[in-house]
Amino acid sequence: ETGVTQSPTHLIKTRGQQVTLRCSSQSGHNTVSWYQQALGQGPQFIFQYYREEENGRGNFPPRFSGLQFPNYSSELNVNALELDDSALYLCASSLDSSYNTPLHFGNGTRLTVT
Amino acid sequence: AQSVAQPEDQVNVAEGNPLTVKCTYSVSGNPYLFWYVQYPNRGLQFLLKYITGDNLVKGSYGFEAEFNKSQTSFHLKKPSALVSDSALYFCAVRDKSGANNLFFGTGTRLTVIP
Repeated sequence: ETGVTQSPTHLIKTRGQQVTLRCSSQSGHNTVSWYQQALGQGPQFIFQYYREEENGRGNFPPRFSGLQFPNYSSELNVNALELDDSALYLCASSLDSSYNTPLHFGNGTRLTVT
Repeated sequence: AQSVAQPEDQVNVAEGNPLTVKCTYSVSGNPYLFWYVQYPNRGLQFLLKYITGDNLVKGSYGFEAEFNKSQTSFHLKKPSALVSDSALYFCAVRDKSGANNLFFGTGTRLTVIP
Protein backbone atom coordinates (compact mmCIF):
# COMPACT_ATOMS: atom_id res chain seq x y z
CA GLU A 1 0.00 0.00 0.00
CA THR A 2 1.52 3.31 -1.12
CA GLY A 3 1.19 6.11 1.38
CA VAL A 4 0.74 9.81 0.77
CA THR A 5 3.57 11.26 -1.29
CA GLN A 6 4.38 14.94 -1.71
CA SER A 7 6.68 16.75 -4.10
CA PRO A 8 8.98 18.50 -4.00
CA THR A 9 10.41 17.89 -0.54
CA HIS A 10 12.07 21.30 -0.37
CA LEU A 11 11.55 24.51 -2.30
CA ILE A 12 13.00 28.00 -2.18
CA LYS A 13 11.07 30.85 -3.75
CA THR A 14 11.31 34.62 -3.83
CA ARG A 15 8.66 36.95 -2.44
CA GLY A 16 6.01 37.67 -5.07
CA GLN A 17 6.52 34.43 -6.96
CA GLN A 18 4.02 31.63 -7.38
CA VAL A 19 4.42 28.02 -6.27
CA THR A 20 2.67 24.70 -6.91
CA LEU A 21 2.93 21.81 -4.49
CA ARG A 22 1.79 18.32 -5.38
CA CYS A 23 0.30 15.43 -3.46
CA SER A 24 -0.60 11.86 -4.35
CA SER A 25 -3.17 10.42 -2.02
CA GLN A 26 -3.01 6.98 -0.47
CA SER A 27 -4.57 4.24 -2.57
CA GLY A 28 -8.33 4.12 -2.12
CA HIS A 29 -8.58 7.57 -0.55
CA ASN A 30 -10.87 10.13 -2.20
CA THR A 31 -10.36 13.05 0.18
CA VAL A 32 -7.31 15.30 0.39
CA SER A 33 -6.65 18.04 2.92
CA TRP A 34 -3.84 20.58 3.02
CA TYR A 35 -2.29 22.03 6.15
CA GLN A 36 0.34 24.69 6.80
CA GLN A 37 2.72 24.11 9.69
CA ALA A 38 4.81 27.11 10.64
CA LEU A 39 7.96 26.53 12.66
CA GLY A 40 7.13 25.61 16.24
CA GLN A 41 3.39 25.53 15.59
CA GLY A 42 0.71 22.96 15.03
CA PRO A 43 -0.64 22.42 11.53
CA GLN A 44 -3.36 24.80 10.36
CA PHE A 45 -6.10 23.71 8.00
CA ILE A 46 -6.00 25.34 4.56
CA PHE A 47 -8.69 23.46 2.63
CA GLN A 48 -10.03 20.05 1.75
CA TYR A 49 -11.06 18.43 -1.50
CA TYR A 50 -13.56 15.60 -1.75
CA ARG A 51 -14.13 13.99 -5.14
CA GLU A 52 -12.63 16.99 -6.98
CA GLU A 53 -14.73 19.60 -5.17
CA GLU A 54 -13.60 21.95 -2.40
CA ASN A 55 -15.20 20.66 0.78
CA GLY A 56 -14.19 23.27 3.30
CA ARG A 57 -11.68 26.03 3.77
CA GLY A 58 -9.75 27.44 6.69
CA ASN A 59 -8.77 31.02 7.35
CA PHE A 60 -6.42 31.49 4.41
CA PRO A 61 -6.60 34.20 1.71
CA PRO A 62 -7.73 33.47 -1.86
CA ARG A 63 -4.16 33.44 -3.12
CA PHE A 64 -4.08 29.93 -1.65
CA SER A 65 -5.93 27.73 -4.11
CA GLY A 66 -6.11 24.08 -4.98
CA LEU A 67 -7.22 21.37 -7.30
CA GLN A 68 -8.06 17.72 -7.04
CA PHE A 69 -7.78 15.48 -10.08
CA PRO A 70 -9.86 12.44 -11.11
CA ASN A 71 -7.22 10.13 -9.63
CA TYR A 72 -7.64 12.07 -6.36
CA SER A 73 -4.16 13.55 -6.44
CA SER A 74 -4.07 17.22 -5.57
CA GLU A 75 -2.21 20.49 -6.00
CA LEU A 76 -1.82 23.46 -3.73
CA ASN A 77 -1.06 26.75 -5.46
CA VAL A 78 0.10 29.87 -3.69
CA ASN A 79 0.31 33.17 -5.58
CA ALA A 80 2.15 36.34 -4.63
CA LEU A 81 4.29 34.60 -2.04
CA GLU A 82 4.99 36.40 1.20
CA LEU A 83 7.76 35.80 3.71
CA ASP A 84 5.21 34.44 6.21
CA ASP A 85 4.29 31.69 3.76
CA SER A 86 7.54 29.96 4.72
CA ALA A 87 6.39 26.73 6.37
CA LEU A 88 6.01 22.99 6.05
CA TYR A 89 3.01 22.20 3.86
CA LEU A 90 1.36 18.94 4.70
CA CYS A 91 -1.03 16.97 2.57
CA ALA A 92 -3.30 14.39 4.15
CA SER A 93 -5.64 11.92 2.55
CA SER A 94 -8.50 9.94 4.02
CA LEU A 95 -10.92 7.25 2.94
CA ASP A 96 -13.73 9.79 2.93
CA SER A 97 -14.68 13.11 4.45
CA SER A 98 -16.49 11.59 7.40
CA TYR A 99 -15.75 13.34 10.67
CA ASN A 100 -14.29 10.27 12.37
CA THR A 101 -12.00 9.11 9.59
CA PRO A 102 -8.30 9.46 10.44
CA LEU A 103 -6.05 11.52 8.20
CA HIS A 104 -2.92 10.00 6.67
CA PHE A 105 -0.21 12.59 6.22
CA GLY A 106 2.63 12.85 3.77
CA ASN A 107 6.09 13.99 4.85
CA GLY A 108 5.45 17.51 3.66
CA THR A 109 7.05 20.13 1.43
CA ARG A 110 9.31 22.61 3.16
CA LEU A 111 8.78 26.00 1.47
CA THR A 112 11.20 28.83 2.13
CA VAL A 113 10.32 32.30 0.84
CA THR A 114 13.19 34.79 0.69
CA ALA B 1 -15.45 27.48 18.02
CA GLN B 2 -13.26 24.46 18.58
CA SER B 3 -9.85 24.66 20.18
CA VAL B 4 -7.30 22.51 21.95
CA ALA B 5 -4.60 23.42 24.41
CA GLN B 6 -1.43 21.57 25.19
CA PRO B 7 -0.14 23.26 28.32
CA GLU B 8 3.37 21.76 28.21
CA ASP B 9 5.79 22.58 25.43
CA GLN B 10 8.24 19.97 26.67
CA VAL B 11 7.90 16.75 28.67
CA ASN B 12 10.90 14.74 29.83
CA VAL B 13 10.58 11.23 31.19
CA ALA B 14 13.02 8.46 32.00
CA GLU B 15 12.94 5.32 29.89
CA GLY B 16 10.66 2.72 31.47
CA ASN B 17 8.64 5.28 33.41
CA PRO B 18 5.02 6.08 32.61
CA LEU B 19 4.42 9.14 30.49
CA THR B 20 1.55 11.59 30.19
CA VAL B 21 1.09 14.31 27.59
CA LYS B 22 -1.71 16.67 28.46
CA CYS B 23 -4.48 18.08 26.29
CA THR B 24 -7.60 20.07 27.07
CA TYR B 25 -10.26 20.98 24.58
CA SER B 26 -13.11 23.36 24.00
CA VAL B 27 -15.89 22.40 21.60
CA SER B 28 -19.56 22.97 21.05
CA GLY B 29 -21.36 19.66 21.08
CA ASN B 30 -19.71 16.28 21.34
CA PRO B 31 -15.95 16.26 20.87
CA TYR B 32 -14.12 14.14 18.34
CA LEU B 33 -10.54 13.99 19.58
CA PHE B 34 -7.33 12.73 18.05
CA TRP B 35 -3.66 12.30 18.87
CA TYR B 36 -0.94 12.44 16.24
CA VAL B 37 2.84 12.06 16.50
CA GLN B 38 5.47 13.76 14.36
CA TYR B 39 9.02 12.53 14.01
CA PRO B 40 11.75 14.88 12.70
CA ASN B 41 11.30 15.89 9.07
CA ARG B 42 8.23 13.69 8.75
CA GLY B 43 4.50 14.15 8.46
CA LEU B 44 2.09 13.34 11.24
CA GLN B 45 1.11 9.79 12.13
CA PHE B 46 -2.26 8.91 13.60
CA LEU B 47 -2.10 7.38 17.09
CA LEU B 48 -5.67 7.14 18.32
CA LYS B 49 -9.08 8.79 18.38
CA TYR B 50 -12.05 9.25 20.67
CA ILE B 51 -15.45 9.41 19.05
CA THR B 52 -17.78 7.82 21.57
CA GLY B 53 -17.87 4.92 24.00
CA ASP B 54 -15.22 3.94 26.53
CA ASN B 55 -13.34 6.82 28.06
CA LEU B 56 -10.05 4.91 27.76
CA VAL B 57 -8.98 4.64 24.16
CA LYS B 58 -6.17 2.35 23.05
CA GLY B 59 -4.04 3.21 20.06
CA SER B 60 -0.85 2.45 18.21
CA TYR B 61 2.57 1.70 19.73
CA GLY B 62 1.13 1.01 23.20
CA PHE B 63 -0.33 4.49 23.64
CA GLU B 64 -3.69 5.16 25.19
CA ALA B 65 -5.70 8.24 26.02
CA GLU B 66 -8.24 9.02 28.68
CA PHE B 67 -11.24 11.13 27.81
CA ASN B 68 -12.61 13.14 30.72
CA LYS B 69 -15.72 15.10 29.86
CA SER B 70 -16.01 16.95 33.17
CA GLN B 71 -12.43 18.20 32.93
CA THR B 72 -12.58 18.58 29.13
CA SER B 73 -9.31 16.70 28.87
CA PHE B 74 -7.88 14.02 26.61
CA HIS B 75 -4.46 13.15 28.02
CA LEU B 76 -2.16 10.77 26.18
CA LYS B 77 -0.52 8.05 28.25
CA LYS B 78 1.84 5.13 28.02
CA PRO B 79 2.72 2.79 30.89
CA SER B 80 6.41 2.44 30.02
CA ALA B 81 8.24 4.98 27.85
CA LEU B 82 10.77 4.01 25.17
CA VAL B 83 13.57 6.17 23.84
CA SER B 84 11.99 5.76 20.41
CA ASP B 85 8.85 7.51 21.70
CA SER B 86 10.78 10.80 21.65
CA ALA B 87 8.90 12.99 19.17
CA LEU B 88 6.43 15.86 18.85
CA TYR B 89 2.88 15.02 19.89
CA PHE B 90 -0.21 16.87 18.72
CA CYS B 91 -3.70 16.77 20.12
CA ALA B 92 -6.49 17.69 17.70
CA VAL B 93 -10.24 18.13 17.62
CA ARG B 94 -12.43 17.58 14.59
CA ASP B 95 -15.00 20.14 13.51
CA LYS B 96 -17.97 17.90 12.80
CA SER B 97 -20.42 20.69 12.18
CA GLY B 98 -18.73 21.99 9.09
CA ALA B 99 -15.70 21.17 7.04
CA ASN B 100 -14.00 17.90 7.79
CA ASN B 101 -10.85 19.37 9.26
CA LEU B 102 -8.71 19.17 12.38
CA PHE B 103 -7.80 21.91 14.82
CA PHE B 104 -4.38 21.08 16.21
CA GLY B 105 -2.75 22.13 19.44
CA THR B 106 0.70 23.66 19.43
CA GLY B 107 2.36 20.36 20.21
CA THR B 108 4.34 18.86 23.08
CA ARG B 109 7.88 17.67 22.59
CA LEU B 110 8.44 14.42 24.45
CA THR B 111 11.97 13.42 25.30
CA VAL B 112 12.59 9.99 26.79
CA ILE B 113 15.90 9.87 28.60
CA PRO B 114 17.84 6.59 28.49
